[in-house]
Amino acid sequence: DIVMTQSPDSLTLSLGERATINCKSSQSVLYSSDNKNYLAWYQQKSRQPPKLLIYWASTRESGVPDRFSGSGSGTDFTLTISSLQAEDVAVYYCQQYYSTPTFGQGTKVEIK
Amino acid sequence: QLLLQESGPGLVKPSETLSLTCTVSGGSMSTTEYYWGWVRQPPGKGLEWIGSMFYSGDTYYNPTLNSRVTMSVDTSKSQFSLRLRSVTAADAAVYYCARLLSTGVNGRGYFDLWGRGTLVTVSS
Repeated sequence: DIVMTQSPDSLTLSLGERATINCKSSQSVLYSSDNKNYLAWYQQKSRQPPKLLIYWASTRESGVPDRFSGSGSGTDFTLTISSLQAEDVAVYYCQQYYSTPTFGQGTKVEIK
Repeated sequence: QLLLQESGPGLVKPSETLSLTCTVSGGSMSTTEYYWGWVRQPPGKGLEWIGSMFYSGDTYYNPTLNSRVTMSVDTSKSQFSLRLRSVTAADAAVYYCARLLSTGVNGRGYFDLWGRGTLVTVSS
């Protein structure tokens, strides 16, 4: 299995600040034949199912605000919230789909 | 708009079989573009993929659960199901059904649509 490790485990920031969440995979999730990174990001608010934010490491799902962006390649990835809003309080998960799907442990984002 | 809805008992006894069904409404399951899958989340913990299946019946399971899991599909009812045998307290979780956009490789993809989830407790 590919192990996904996120950092930090939690993040407390002020409204309007930039949030950066890291995700590292135990092996590369870049598929050489199509040059795509098989990585997605999800947002899970309290008592709700996860919601897809980003796929192919950097493609924003339809309807997701553009303050959310994904970057990285190979084994190191980042989810950035450019200006934190109150509605962004949630746990964020990365997931690789290069092999049988595995998720990171989650990063909790809170407002100071 | 496609909706997924989980149903099944909220309480299962240890050593018995957990059975859940996901009903898909607002669209067809019979598409080559998607897999249909299950993910679970123990209370206060992270997400674990259980398995995925194609509408034709091809199934792919998490190796750690493979010996206890069976998934099936009934496209005439727009439903797919999960059976997990010999449950223990460690199987207590919110179980989500979800749609995976297929990468074309053996049950792999990202989850673009989720049900609301159903809590399953394991207790005698």
